[in-house]
This record gives sequence, C-alpha cells and structure tokens, in this order.
Amino acid sequence: RKEVEQDPGPFNVPEGATVAFNCTYSNSASQSFFWYRQDCRKEPKLLMSVYSSGNEDGRFTAQLNRASQYISLLIRDSKLSDSATYLCVVNGGPGGYNKLIFGAGTRLAVHP
Amino acid sequence: DGGITQSPKYLFRKEGQNVTLSCEQNLNHDAMYWYRQDPGQGLRLIYYSQIVNDFQKGDIAEGYSVSREKKESFPLTVTSAQKNPTAFYLCASSEWDRSTDTQYFGPGTRLTVL
Repeated sequence: RKEVEQDPGPFNVPEGATVAFNCTYSNSASQSFFWYRQDCRKEPKLLMSVYSSGNEDGRFTAQLNRASQYISLLIRDSKLSDSATYLCVVNGGPGGYNKLIFGAGTRLAVHP
Repeated sequence: DGGITQSPKYLFRKEGQNVTLSCEQNLNHDAMYWYRQDPGQGLRLIYYSQIVNDFQKGDIAEGYSVSREKKESFPLTVTSAQKNPTAFYLCASSEWDRSTDTQYFGPGTRLTVL
C-alpha cells in the first residue's frame, strides 16, 4: 500500500463548479498534513496546511479525519486558474527529521 | 526577495558524466532537501541536511552525493552510478522545528541524459 494515496484524475470540471479531492495516508503517527499545488513543469507550492478542526482559506476548505486517516480538499466556485495538480502531503511521523511523504497528485482541469 | 534558487533550469548530460545541480536559499532555513520527481509519481527524497556539515540519505540516495559546507547552499551531484538520472530535481528548505515543517521549493532543474 502506498504511504499516501490520491486519485490521479483528471477531474474535468466547468468554471464555477465545486470539486473535492480525497487522500488517504498509512502512517497513523503522522502529525502534519498539507495540500500543495503544482502547475505543469513547475515546483510545488504550499496551498494550505490541514488542521484537525478543519480550515478554510477563501474558496478552499481542507478537512482531516485522523480516525480514518483521510484528508480532503474542497474547491468552491472553480476558476480556470485552479487548473493544476494538487499534491497531498503528510509528515512521516515522529522521528529525527521532518520527512514529508508526497502523494502522486490529483490533476484538475477547469474549462470555460 | 527571499527564496530558493536552483540552477541550471535545464541540464543535458551524456551517459557516464557526473553533473552538479546548484541550490541556494536566503531564507535562513536550517534544513535543506533534494527530491526527484518522475512522471506520474510523487516526489521522492534523495538527501536531506539538518545543519551545516551534516546530511543524511533519503529513500533513493544511490548514485547521488551532496555537501553542506554553508547554510545557504546544498549542491547535489548526480554521478554516473545513477542508472536512471533523467528526472525533475527539486530542492527544498524548511525550518528545523517540530512546530512547523512546511517545506518551500526552488523552481527545479530538469535533467536529461542523452
């Protein structure tokens, strides 16, 4: 089983749609969770951290379910500029260094 | 501007040659990392360094070497022993603090072996 699993997509949605991505992780000791965004042939950029209570940043909402080891990202009112690959990232758990485990990403394509 | 720079952006190498990828940061971060990304796969950790003059192997260190002589710099050498070096190489940095482990990435170097 992969340490971080994501649906690769692509998710093809019209502008204005609401889209949700899911991610599962295998290490129950993980303590930090993130969503990164990666544009084609560019570096990943932090979109948002994910907190236990859930958090929202404008049109983006992230949720964490520790019991099910599940993370989600909801994008409301999709824009063309949201087209990218979204990487689910999980801390590797207690250890001697800040090891982050990256999912392979979910591709989103927003069309007019 | 604070950030991470990588050079070159594109690099072509003949088989059997060693090449060195540059990574510099002015964020005053203690920790630096090297990843490679292959199509359809997540980033995989090659090497990381917590402090100057110290570094540790990641998950796929074979065929690579690094140095950390200065806090700002963490160059990666891809040696001829690396069997499949063609990939997108990403350098990252972070504070070494359990309260925050967010990593910030440079723009990457795309290496192609001819």
